[in-house]
Amino acid sequence: AQTVTQSQPEMSVQEAETVTLSCTYDTSESNYYLFWYKQPPSRQMILVIRQEAYKQQNATENRFSVNFQKAAKSFSLKISDSQLGDTAMYFCAFMNSPYNNNDMRFGAGTRLTVKP
Amino acid sequence: DAGVTQSPTHLIKTRGQQVTLRCSPKSGHDTVSWYQQALGQGPQFIFQYYEEEERQRGNFPDRFSGHQFPNYSSELNVNALLLGDSALYLCASSPALEFYEQYFGPGTRLTVT
Repeated sequence: AQTVTQSQPEMSVQEAETVTLSCTYDTSESNYYLFWYKQPPSRQMILVIRQEAYKQQNATENRFSVNFQKAAKSFSLKISDSQLGDTAMYFCAFMNSPYNNNDMRFGAGTRLTVKP
Repeated sequence: DAGVTQSPTHLIKTRGQQVTLRCSPKSGHDTVSWYQQALGQGPQFIFQYYEEEERQRGNFPDRFSGHQFPNYSSELNVNALLLGDSALYLCASSPALEFYEQYFGPGTRLTVT
């Protein structure tokens, strides 16, 4: 069964600095998708970034980038120039190839606090 | 363009009762997935509906059932509520051929007393 592990329950960072959130996963599949979602106190789950396993290039979305290490089954999220609005729970998630058991598996989350 | 909407926002029920939660998908989406998020945990997949049928199901008992309507909206029903069913219930919609494009609603907070 696919599992997702986030080993950092809580992290904090000073405004304008860089922080990296860790995620590891376990799967025997070769084609899959990885995600980072942000959940602020408003509860709305917002997609931050998505990575397709067959793409070797790391995904980037403005201040957010990932370090995808397929062999190590690692998928970390780097937030650059942290802003107060980045304060939220961050969930790493895994999904098989969309045509084969496409339920999304989530980690337990990392609570990120950005300090002024 | 309205995103995914869910109703109600909050709900309080008594143990043993039944509850129905509702979800309207984002415009252009025809697949709806439901998740349960217990306090302090990540969401867990309950089931997914496509073409008015349950396409896939997670590890949840039969007390959890659902339905999808011709307009793609969906309901989640939970019978014989237990205290452990207290959670945030999230609905996510996606286009049929792009299941990875999941957009989440704001959730329904269910409290069972």
